[in-house]
Amino acid sequence: LAKTTQPISMDSYEGQEVNITCSHNNIATNDYITWYQQFPSQGPRFIIQGYKTKVTNEVASLFIPADRKSSTLSLPRVSLSDTAVYYCLVESSNTGKLIFGQGTTLQVKP
Amino acid sequence: ETGVTQTPRHLVMGMTNKKSLKCEQHLGHNAMYWYKQSAKKPLELMFVYNFKEQTENNSVPSRFSPECPNSSHLFLHLHTLQPEDSALYLCASSQDHGEGPGELFFGEGSRLTVL
Repeated sequence: LAKTTQPISMDSYEGQEVNITCSHNNIATNDYITWYQQFPSQGPRFIIQGYKTKVTNEVASLFIPADRKSSTLSLPRVSLSDTAVYYCLVESSNTGKLIFGQGTTLQVKP
Repeated sequence: ETGVTQTPRHLVMGMTNKKSLKCEQHLGHNAMYWYKQSAKKPLELMFVYNFKEQTENNSVPSRFSPECPNSSHLFLHLHTLQPEDSALYLCASSQDHGEGPGELFFGEGSRLTVL
């Protein structure tokens, strides 16, 4: 299972765009990249999932370069309520196994 | 509201007690999971059930005993726990397990404190 590496923490201000990059150098052909968000004392919540190029939904965008060894979660115009831990995961389409790493704690300031 | 309900939300127990955590999902999913989240640590996958059958046990001590009577319900029976077992226990469900990438739906967790 591919290991992921992402920054431990990031700070931002309200209204800014936030980009969190995750590296997954040994990602396999059948693996997908998934991001979750977790608020304190709650379970993680699915944000977005992709395989290659760009995926966009109402919450975020996910950019995946051609070599797929990294991915970037982009949150447009963050607000205070976006303060949370963001997890990057690599999920095998063969096993469906999901392993969570340390995540990135995003602190949005006024 | 994620469609996954966990009870109790908070539990305090002594090391000699026996208690159970309950998880119920109303999403029609076939796979259910238990995760453990200790302070300052990533989520640890404990057990996976797919169509009521246990498909993964990640070397979890026997003092944690899961039970999945049907695809909608999952229990975690606790006995003779240690203080280091204090953590947030999260239940999740997905459409199925091992059939391709999917989305996990988590409950809000049960905060366990072992005295």
